[in-house]
Amino acid sequence: NAGVTQTPKFQVLKTGQSMTLQCAQDMNHNSMYWYRQDPGMGLRLIYYSASEGTTDKGEVPNGYNVSRLNKREFSLRLESAAPSQTSVYFCASSASPGTGYGYTFGSGTRLTVV
Amino acid sequence: GQQVMQIPQYQHVQEGEDFTTYCNSSTTLSNIQWYKQRPGGHPVFLIQLVKSGEVKKQKRLTFQFGEAKKNSSLHITATQTTDVGTYFCGTFTNQFYFGTGTSLTVIP
Repeated sequence: NAGVTQTPKFQVLKTGQSMTLQCAQDMNHNSMYWYRQDPGMGLRLIYYSASEGTTDKGEVPNGYNVSRLNKREFSLRLESAAPSQTSVYFCASSASPGTGYGYTFGSGTRLTVV
Repeated sequence: GQQVMQIPQYQHVQEGEDFTTYCNSSTTLSNIQWYKQRPGGHPVFLIQLVKSGEVKKQKRLTFQFGEAKKNSSLHITATQTTDVGTYFCGTFTNQFYFGTGTSLTVIP
């Protein structure tokens, strides 16, 4: 099925550990995004990639890095996890922002940092 | 960043009652999108509005964009248990900004 695939679905890390969240889309979308969702805070943009080869910071980029590996794949890396990074992470993609087609979200990664 | 405020934060309704959530901005918006997120799920795109005063309907859902393009609303007629979830508005400028969402509980 066409869509956005995220791995892993669940992860528990110890403080200071690193990990990479993987995201792939098969809709030939140009733009990809990483959001985090915390209770009462809505969805906040961490990083985005408007097109292959470009990445930009969103609202809450500190503690994260990203790589747009190719048009399909956009990964999010936590170099040294902190408890404040406990959250649900969503990857999303869109054809062209603001064109009316909306964002397609992955099913999320539930990350706990202890 | 773009400030898009949503009210109410929570709403509990009896099944069959109507429900409305509002999205407000202090600045003029070029577009507004609405998403639904079921409990434990991910946001799903519902619709985009771009024209002043625009009204769009999807079955029991009615979406409206204000005349001044500073506010929007989502109205659900005769709620059902399948409507449970959080409804988000959002707008795109150079980035996409989501409102904080309205969590809808439907009591059978």
